[in-house]
Amino acid sequence: QGQLVQSGAEVKKPGASVKVSCKASGYSFISYDISWVRQDPGQGLEWMGWINPLSGDTASVEKFQGRVTMTRDSSINTVYMALSGLTFDDTAVYYCARGMISSTSWYYFDLWGQGTLVTVSS
Amino acid sequence: DIQMTQSPSTLSASIGDRVTITCRASQSVSSWLAWYQQKPGKAPKLLIYKASSLESGVPSRFSGSGSGTEFTLTISSLQPDDFATYYCQHYNSYLTFGGGTKVEIK
Repeated sequence: QGQLVQSGAEVKKPGASVKVSCKASGYSFISYDISWVRQDPGQGLEWMGWINPLSGDTASVEKFQGRVTMTRDSSINTVYMALSGLTFDDTAVYYCARGMISSTSWYYFDLWGQGTLVTVSS
Repeated sequence: DIQMTQSPSTLSASIGDRVTITCRASQSVSSWLAWYQQKPGKAPKLLIYKASSLESGVPSRFSGSGSGTEFTLTISSLQPDDFATYYCQHYNSYLTFGGGTKVEIK
């Protein structure tokens, strides 16, 4: 059960920032970490990082460190992913996904948002 | 980092065929492996977790097996709804996805 609903498509210029939202419903928002996964056009899936909605703790992969900021607003069951310093290579679909944590402390993803297309164009 | 390699990258099959997709890890991931199905323009959908556990609501024609470094996703009798791209993902230490296998109509 549950649903993740993301904000709509964005078009940004190089050097700009984008902020994508992901609103959770139908389950306990604070009980599951949320990850962000990127999919370049016609390519595979790339994990970007996670946020713990309870504590606000975050971690991101080295590739995006310094450019990605993940936050949450527990009052409206929503997490956000902001990416700064956009380049043409950041054109992609960005997904939020609910992490099912295992005893390894890592996740598989059982619930996904519908995706948000971010297009970087001059 | 552990690398995940899927084969084949594309597979052509007919309705009713038995289909097998392989995912190999560059080092052991024990049984910490998931499989997803993705259709064009849609989000991935979880099929299998912990290598062989079927996610609730997923048809029983899907099955997963393997441990360590070699895993398989099997569709016992391919249905029209199954033409899609399939990804494996390990979650042993860190997490990474395989490159995907596209299942096409033959």
